[in-house]
Formats: sequence, structure tokens, C-alpha cells
Amino acid sequence: GAGVSQSPRYKVAKRGQDVALRCDPISGHVSLFWYQQALGQGPEFLTYFQNEAQLDKSGLPSDRFFAERPEGSVSTLKIQRTQQEDSAVYLCASSHRGLANNEQFFGPGTRLTVL
Amino acid sequence: GIQVEQSPPDLILQEGANSTLRCNFSDSVNNLQWFHQNPWGQLINLFYIPSGTKQNGRLSATTVATERYSLLYISSSQTTDSGVYFCAVEGNYGGATNKLIFGTGTLLAVQP
Repeated sequence: GAGVSQSPRYKVAKRGQDVALRCDPISGHVSLFWYQQALGQGPEFLTYFQNEAQLDKSGLPSDRFFAERPEGSVSTLKIQRTQQEDSAVYLCASSHRGLANNEQFFGPGTRLTVL
Repeated sequence: GIQVEQSPPDLILQEGANSTLRCNFSDSVNNLQWFHQNPWGQLINLFYIPSGTKQNGRLSATTVATERYSLLYISSSQTTDSGVYFCAVEGNYGGATNKLIFGTGTLLAVQP
């Protein structure tokens, strides 16, 4: 079956521009996560959805970052007024909560470069 | 929060050699996963192993939850095993979240 997909795969933005990153989780997966991976580092948690409810946004670095999942499926991570320090790979993951196995599966990521 | 440490940070192997990667974590966990991040950045699931031992081909993993560590064994390494190996844990958050905390990774290079 299809895995987690993300688009675009690459995004170049000028400082100050707004960007929107999309995640399509595995069909039927209830939980969805966003992570940020800086160069040479491990991924760091940004936010977590269970269906359409955003239950944890403790990792969002500033109020310029906003995520939504209005119908409990596709999610969008929006970054307003991008800064150079926002350059990173943004990873989306999903898991099928409700079963004993809550293994998270990751998409290929969106590499964001802010000039 | 939970701290996750991986060792060694870097490892160079000749093809055919065996290796052991270690992950230490600072508190009890609900979930532990091992990932391989390939050169294209894709995180590939290797093991979901909050406790016990699992094997998949040339790879195996053991988690000793009571002692807060996990080991990943790679036998008969191949050049395609090169990349970064991450350990990630999910702490006990009382149901409020299921976020994974990642270690800093082990960079493995397998030479022909």
C-alpha cells in the first residue's frame, strides 16, 4: 500500500515569504506528526494530531509556525514570514493508534531552503 | 524530558564486518524504534522494539527496558547499509502525546 507522501519535495523561499507544506498520511492512520530535521541532527518534534484535533503543539518554535488537519486526513504545515533559521527538512509521520502497535512511519520530507 | 544518547557517533566498516550500535535513554518508555536514514533522507523503519529481541535478516535488535538501553546488531555489513542510524523513543506522557524523541544518530560507512 501507499506510504506517507509529502509535497513539495523541495522548496526555496525568499526570507519573509510564507510557505505551505503538505502531508498525506497512510490511509486510515489516526495519528499524524510533524518533525523538523536540521542538517546533521536528528529529527525534532513539532506537533501532533489525533484525527483533526491538535493535541500537542509544544514543539512549534514560534507563532510563525501553524499546522492544521481539518478533516482528519491531509495536514498542512504553514510557516509565515520565513527566516533563514527555518531552513531544514520537514518530516511528516503517521501511526495507526488504537492498535497495540503505534509504530510511526515517515514520509520522504520537504527540504526547505530560505535565502 | 527524556534524553537519548547513541554510540558510537561514527563508524567505518569493511564490507562483511559485524557491528553493534547502542542507544541509552534516561527514563521509561512506551515505544522504541530504530530507523535507517538513507542518503536521500528517507527514514526507513527497522524495528519497533519497546522490549525484547527481534531479528530481520542480517539485522537484529534487543531492548532491555529495565536497564534503559537498546542495541542494534548488523551482521555481514554491505555498502547499502551505509547511512545514519537513529534510535527514537516515546516517553510516558499519560496519553497527551505520542511524540518520538530521537538520538543524535550513528553515521555508518561501509567500505567495499
